Parts: sequence; structure tokens; C-alpha cells
Amino acid sequence: EPEVTQTPSHQVTQMGQEVILRCVPISNHLYFYWYRQILGQKVEFLVSFYNNEISEKSEIFDDQFSVERPDGSNFTLKIRSTKLEDSAMYFCASSELSSSYEQYFGPGTRLTVT
Amino acid sequence: AQSVAQPEDQVNVAEGNPLTVKCTYSVSGNPYLFWYVQYPNRGLQFLLKYITGDNLVKGSYGFEAEFNKSQTSFHLKKPSALVSDSALYFCAVRDIAGGFKTIFGAGTRLFVKA
Repeated sequence: EPEVTQTPSHQVTQMGQEVILRCVPISNHLYFYWYRQILGQKVEFLVSFYNNEISEKSEIFDDQFSVERPDGSNFTLKIRSTKLEDSAMYFCASSELSSSYEQYFGPGTRLTVT
Repeated sequence: AQSVAQPEDQVNVAEGNPLTVKCTYSVSGNPYLFWYVQYPNRGLQFLLKYITGDNLVKGSYGFEAEFNKSQTSFHLKKPSALVSDSALYFCAVRDIAGGFKTIFGAGTRLFVKA
């Protein structure tokens, strides 16, 4: 069964450093998403991406964040200058078509900012 | 604004007994509703969804959920719980007219005792 994959599984970085989290969505999916889950808290929407552009973003997704689909398979989330409060589990998700379709989540990348 | 409430942090049930995990939602228009399950150190797995039609929807692993428009609820149910059902369950909503943003509830931890 096809699945969303994410690398790395755990990333440790120092405050102020840039990190790139990588995702490979399911191949025939057209919509891509990033969510984050701070330890013990709810899953929060960050951004959705369709047709090579951001279709929607939350108030969390400020200028420090960016997303890119650099080739036909990868979908990346970049945090330009990490802060302690960016420490969280970051989930990538993809869906086949539009909003009525369920999203398939990757296993997540745990980001620890020290 | 969209919101989801899962009023119980934790639900305890004995194996073989029926289980219910509660969810209420608020959207300005018509909702798409989803249930996801999260096992330790894993991403979210889709269980079931309500888009339109029959108010009782059936999903994976014997789970079902009932959409109640008047009570704005979408409770998750299973007639006979298994120990392996122990996990964190998330209800999620998307406003049909609200674009791509999916809002998740805080999650309910289900413990099934043997």
C-alpha cells in the first residue's frame, strides 16, 4: 500500500539554524500539507499546497516558514531560523483530490531545537 | 471559525464492551468530518469520514460514526472494543466552503483493558 514518507525521523538543531524537513507524498496525490503537533497538544494545520503554490496557510506559518516541491516527488518544509518553540512533531500529509478526500499522513519528523 | 471539541481526554473501556469517543464541531457552513487514530510514534491514520448521505458511516477496523446535524456531533463508536484499539483518537472537521484547512480536536486517549 502506498504511503507518505518523511525524513529525517528526528532532527536536532540549535536555535537560529535553518532546517529542512522532507516528505515524499503518495505519487498520484495532488494536495500536500504540513501539520505540527507540539508534545501533548493538538495537531495544528500549517499550510496546504496545490499546483505548485500555497493554497492556504495558518497564522503559525509566518515568514520563517516556506514550502517547496523541488521535483516531482519531494515536498519540503523549511524553517529559516529555528526558535525553541518550533520544537514539535511535524507531519506531512497528502490527499488525492480536493477537500472531501481524507489525508494520508507520514510518520512525522520530531524536531528538537536546543 | 471552525472548531472541534473532544470533551474527554481519556476513555476507559473493558475489552468486549462497546466504546464511544465523543466529538462536537462548529463550522459556518456544511462540514466534512473525519476520524483519525494515532498509535505511539506513528502518524495519523484515517479511520472514516462523513461527506454527505447516510448519517451512519462505517470505517476501518470495525469503527463507525454517527453524524448528527442538530447536535453538531460526530461520535466514534465500536460495538466491541479490542485491547489493540488503545490509541489516541482525533476528530477533525473541514468546512466545505472553507478551503483546505482541517481543524483537529485535542484528541481522546482510549484505553481498553483486557
